[in-house]
Amino acid sequence: GAVVSQHPSRVICKSGTSVKIECRSLDFQATTMFWYRQFPKQSLMLMATSNEGSKATYEQGVEKDKFLINHASLTLSTLTVTSAHPEDSSFYICSASLGVNTEAFFGQGTRLTVV
Amino acid sequence: GESVGLHLPTLSVQEGDNSIINCAYSNSASDYFIWYKQESGKGPQFIIDIRSNMDKRQGQRVTVLLNKTVKHLSLQIAATQPGDSAVYFCAFAIGAGGSYIPTFGRGTSLIVHP
Repeated sequence: GAVVSQHPSRVICKSGTSVKIECRSLDFQATTMFWYRQFPKQSLMLMATSNEGSKATYEQGVEKDKFLINHASLTLSTLTVTSAHPEDSSFYICSASLGVNTEAFFGQGTRLTVV
Repeated sequence: GESVGLHLPTLSVQEGDNSIINCAYSNSASDYFIWYKQESGKGPQFIIDIRSNMDKRQGQRVTVLLNKTVKHLSLQIAATQPGDSAVYFCAFAIGAGGSYIPTFGRGTSLIVHP
């Protein structure tokens, strides 16, 4: 199957700083990527849909100024958590789809801890 | 909206038994369904998918059943092995104009005892 690489896998940052998470499709071009957040023992919650060359579409309740998404190329989308606070600590996961109504491939996830 | 964000139910089975994991969805517009396996600290891994024009699809040791009448999806794992222990999520396609936006169901934690 297609490979999606997410980096870093773990990051610890100080409160008030910003953190960038990268999501790359390694062997295919992804016009659309998705960003999820997952709390312990809970399901994945869609945060936003990232479209190459255009603004991301955020789900209701997700602050777009807090979670900046950039999809500058067909193989890279980034999520920047700005002015991070301890409540932003979570597992962030990206995915990319090969096309309409096809399976999405997921990255390994990024464990963010804000101290 | 769909049911997400709830705490996970648990299914415990003995090695060698068959496992059945269930998922309900509420949006009748969903027409593409996927099962994912997620191990601790990792991203979801694709297991099997099914489209709404099918009722059943089989893979290696896994079978997915779709009942659109009652909006129910199930995953059957034959001869469950300890390596199958993980959290299993169903996901479904919801979107306008054919866009695929994977939305996840609640998930079930499968524990396989040797």
